[in-house]
Amino acid sequence: KQEVTQIPAALSVPEGENLVLNCSFTDSAIYNLQWFRQDPGKGLTSLLLIQSSQREQTSGRLNASLDKSSGRSTLYIAASQPGDSATYLCAVASGGYNKLIFGAGTRLAVHP
Amino acid sequence: DGGITQSPKYLFRKEGQNVTLSCEQNLNHDAMYWYRQDPGQGLRLIYYSQIVNDFQKGDIAEGYSVSREKKESFPLTVTSAQKNPTAFYLCASSIEGTGDQPQHFGDGTRLSIL
Repeated sequence: KQEVTQIPAALSVPEGENLVLNCSFTDSAIYNLQWFRQDPGKGLTSLLLIQSSQREQTSGRLNASLDKSSGRSTLYIAASQPGDSATYLCAVASGGYNKLIFGAGTRLAVHP
Repeated sequence: DGGITQSPKYLFRKEGQNVTLSCEQNLNHDAMYWYRQDPGQGLRLIYYSQIVNDFQKGDIAEGYSVSREKKESFPLTVTSAQKNPTAFYLCASSIEGTGDQPQHFGDGTRLSIL
């Protein structure tokens, strides 16, 4: 059974820091891995999707890597800003259809 | 603008009552999904539909029902059999139900018990 774990559960950093969020999964047979952002009381915004054949994806200050063999992904946020404060969720697509298995998220606070 | 619309934003349920959450998309996506989110936890799949007039149970389908009569609509009914319905419900869609398509999410409905 696929399980997704995110570490740390919460993170508080000063503005301007570079930071890394971690995601691990137990079954390497995945179609893709997605990173989402969730603001309080809101839905999910897709940040990056890495297909199983890819190693990384970049969008602006965000970079996500994928190591299927070790069951790990990292989300790197460069030069963090207070507007980056949110919960970041990692999810893997596995199974015979586009089923997403989610981690519990990392709650990020960036203070001025 | 293309997107997914969930309504209502907040919903209250009385004991023994069934309530229906609406999800509409104008993205022309074939696949749609319902997830439940509890505080401090990730999302869990309730039901999914890969095409009109077809749907399948997810991991926590007990106490819920769905229909998919139109491509753009995938309503979720929380029945009285669901004993712990208080949660945040999220609807999503993807172009197809295959494993390499990104899912796009609505803004959610928060359901509480009166």
